[in-house]
Amino acid sequence: QKEVEQNSGPLSVPEGAIASLNCTYSDRGSQSFFWYRQYSGKSPELIMFIYSNGDKEDGRFTAQLNKASQYVSLLIRDSQPSDSATYLCAVRALDSNYQLIWGAGTKLIIKP
Amino acid sequence: EPEVTQTPSHQVTQMGQEVILRCVPISNHLYFYWYRQILGQKVEFLVSFYNNEISEKSEIFDDQFSVERPDGSNFTLKIRSTKLEDSAMYFCASSVTSLGGEQFFGPGTRLTVL
Repeated sequence: QKEVEQNSGPLSVPEGAIASLNCTYSDRGSQSFFWYRQYSGKSPELIMFIYSNGDKEDGRFTAQLNKASQYVSLLIRDSQPSDSATYLCAVRALDSNYQLIWGAGTKLIIKP
Repeated sequence: EPEVTQTPSHQVTQMGQEVILRCVPISNHLYFYWYRQILGQKVEFLVSFYNNEISEKSEIFDDQFSVERPDGSNFTLKIRSTKLEDSAMYFCASSVTSLGGEQFFGPGTRLTVL
């Protein structure tokens, strides 16, 4: 059974602080990892993708991947109230070129 | 900025009726997908489509579902005989490559089956 696990939250972070979101996955050997943001009632919006171990930075966002621990995280620096949303972790299925396996998402609340 | 569009935004139908959900993927994208998200639950993969044929489908995508690219721009999902449990948000997505990622989502169609 392919699984992507996330803490459902809510995770409450003060404005300006760093928000840290975590995701674990079951398929060892998975190669492609994605973070999407979903506002309530809206569609998922791609924030970042990461394929290699280590860190990848894009503006205020940093994705971290540790394949040995089957762990991927998203850091949001200088959190803003507009970052309040549900963050979805998605992993490309190991035996697939197309299918993404999704976590249930972590609800992030940035408090002004 | 190019975006995926979907129509209608909300569809209400009676159980047993057929519905067609429409999507216009981003114009230079070659791979198309349908996902659904039941309220409060995970996003679930339904099907991927490339070169005018289904490339992958999930267990959810049974015989009551079908997809089609009737012309050069539209991509449709048909549900032949809707059930109450088909009520969900249906998202269309597209991507340039087949790596399953960097998929860009449309705004979704909320399907309500009564």
